[in-house]
Amino acid sequence: GQQVMQIPQYQHVQEGEDFTTYCNSSTTLSNIQWYKQRPGGHPVFLIQLVKSGEVKKQKRLTFQFGEAKKNSSLHITATQTTDVGTYFCAGVRSGSARQLTFGSGTQLTVLP
Amino acid sequence: DTGVSQDPRHKITKRGQNVTFRCDPISEHNRLYWYRQTLGQGPEFLTYFQNEAQLEKSRLLSNRFSAERPKGSFSTLEIQRTEQGDSAMYLCASSLVGEGTEAFFGQGTRLTVV
Repeated sequence: GQQVMQIPQYQHVQEGEDFTTYCNSSTTLSNIQWYKQRPGGHPVFLIQLVKSGEVKKQKRLTFQFGEAKKNSSLHITATQTTDVGTYFCAGVRSGSARQLTFGSGTQLTVLP
Repeated sequence: DTGVSQDPRHKITKRGQNVTFRCDPISEHNRLYWYRQTLGQGPEFLTYFQNEAQLEKSRLLSNRFSAERPKGSFSTLEIQRTEQGDSAMYLCASSLVGEGTEAFFGQGTRLTVV
């Protein structure tokens, strides 16, 4: 079955440092979505990437979708304490039903 | 507030008992999903409805689990003869029809089987 791997599992950064999490799928994806889950909360949608090589920005967050549509990354510039949480990628397999397959997430801690 | 509500928020049950959870999706959303999440892991797909039709179930889903969406609105997830390994957060999400539309998650029901 489809697997979505995410690294690193944990990341501790000093406030103001940059942060990147990487996502790799075992199968080609039709699209990939990114979610953020705060401690004790539920996943909240951040963005969706559809096109090969697509890059999208949301303020300090930059999302990329690989050329082969099997990998993706999320980069946060100059982290803030409000960025704390777990970031999940979730892929929809090409030609499949509509289920999202989530990665295991990267838990970000920002030290003030 | 995402608009997806789940009830109850917490459930403690003894091993062997049956439990039922409810999910009320955002009203105009045709699709409804159930996921399970354990500590340190991403949400794991359980099943998915489009309107009242259950279109997909995870192959990992035990036959002790059953879900319904009788009128295409709210959904219930029942776990029969609960086991300690069923302890997890059960998340419901809903979305509109369309390729890769975003899923809105509820707050989840935390199940503890003792």
